[in-house]
Amino acid sequence: KAGVTQTPRYLIKTRGQQVTLSCSPISGHRSVSWYQQTPGQGLQFLFEYFSETQRNKGNFPGRFSGRQFSNSRSEMNVSTLELGDSALYLCASSPDRPTETQYFGPGTRLLVL
Amino acid sequence: DAKTTQPTSMDCAEGRAANLPCNHSTISGNEYVYWYRQIHSQGPQYIIHGLKNNETNEMASLIITEDRKSSTLILPHATLRDTAVYYCIVSRGGAQKLVFGQGTRLTINP
Repeated sequence: KAGVTQTPRYLIKTRGQQVTLSCSPISGHRSVSWYQQTPGQGLQFLFEYFSETQRNKGNFPGRFSGRQFSNSRSEMNVSTLELGDSALYLCASSPDRPTETQYFGPGTRLLVL
Repeated sequence: DAKTTQPTSMDCAEGRAANLPCNHSTISGNEYVYWYRQIHSQGPQYIIHGLKNNETNEMASLIITEDRKSSTLILPHATLRDTAVYYCIVSRGGAQKLVFGQGTRLTINP
């Protein structure tokens, strides 16, 4: 079974631009979560989608948004990029059963100049 | 805040067993102990998880104390490729958000 895929793998943007990142979950997984990883703050939860609905949200400003499509693929968008948004963005998918776990993709490394 | 406490770093000789401790004294009855590892700049890799019984898979063993307040991840024969940051996380499982602490940086020495 193919793992979680994320595109693009690397991205360079300038301040003020916006960016869209994509995540394809493992086949059959309906939950997709997004995390941000920076050297200073570590791995932090952004939000989680299930059946096209955001179920949980972390403590990030409204510039960070996401959506999920009917095939469970998810996108996250960051508007008005700031230098501090430079990070590794990770998505994880899960079947969302209590005994199950989340599996992470390789991440998208975003650099904001 | 993370609900777990781990040593910041550990070293282990190649071929020896690596034992990584984790304290989770406030764990709830319906929370599992999960272990992930992250090799430099890659996505976290799931290793193993357990509720109260000891667990073993092809990667590692997980020993959970009877009171569930601590656990130990055991890599039985560590290799250089096991050098990574190891995260111990308590979670209700499924799609519940994972709260990552700083983890343990494990270095396997030749």
